[in-house]
Amino acid sequence: EAGVAQSPRYKIIEKRQSVAFWCNPISGHATLYWYQQILGQGPKLLIQFQNNGVVDDSQLPKDRFSAERLKGVDSTLKIQPAKLEDSAVYLCASSLSQVLGYEQYFGPGTRLTVT
Amino acid sequence: AQTVTQSQPEMSVQEAETVTLSCTYDTSESDYYLFWYKQPPSRQMILVIRQEAYKQQNATENRFSVNFQKAAKSFSLKISDSQLGDAAMYFCAYRRGLTGGGNKLTFGTGTQLKVEL
Repeated sequence: EAGVAQSPRYKIIEKRQSVAFWCNPISGHATLYWYQQILGQGPKLLIQFQNNGVVDDSQLPKDRFSAERLKGVDSTLKIQPAKLEDSAVYLCASSLSQVLGYEQYFGPGTRLTVT
Repeated sequence: AQTVTQSQPEMSVQEAETVTLSCTYDTSESDYYLFWYKQPPSRQMILVIRQEAYKQQNATENRFSVNFQKAAKSFSLKISDSQLGDAAMYFCAYRRGLTGGGNKLTFGTGTQLKVEL
């Protein structure tokens, strides 16, 4: 079974530029998560989708971050404009269902550097 | 809000020896899950072990076991017969139970484990 796929693996941009990350969850997984992991910290949830609906986006900086999962499968996370403090690893995870508490499986992450 | 604390930024262990990583958490809920994740340099988070709060028996997965002290809100990970491949960052994580709604993971700050020959 293929795991969670993410691209790109690395991205370097200048502040005020925009960037987008892509995630393809494990086939059949209804729930998709985006986490932000700043160096030296544990991952922090940015947004959670159940199919194509948002379950939790309470910690998403909505003035600059946006995410979508239009067809309930793959997802895109965008930052516009980027700030220096957005430098982090962005992890995508998926699970079969949030209702039954299935395990979350993580992708390899995208390392973003904002200069 | 739930918080997870890992007070050991770094730990070292000799190959084949045993090491214990500490974790404490704070919650007012009675239904929850606790996890240990491993993150090697490849950055992929790998689930090591999970513990349901309603279970008194400590979880075990091969060389990995936990000491779950619910009253003390403590959840330590013991790695026996340490191997070079165990070297990684280890994160303790909390998740609300099924009755609490939502299942986001709340992570600690991690413990970097080094395994020495």
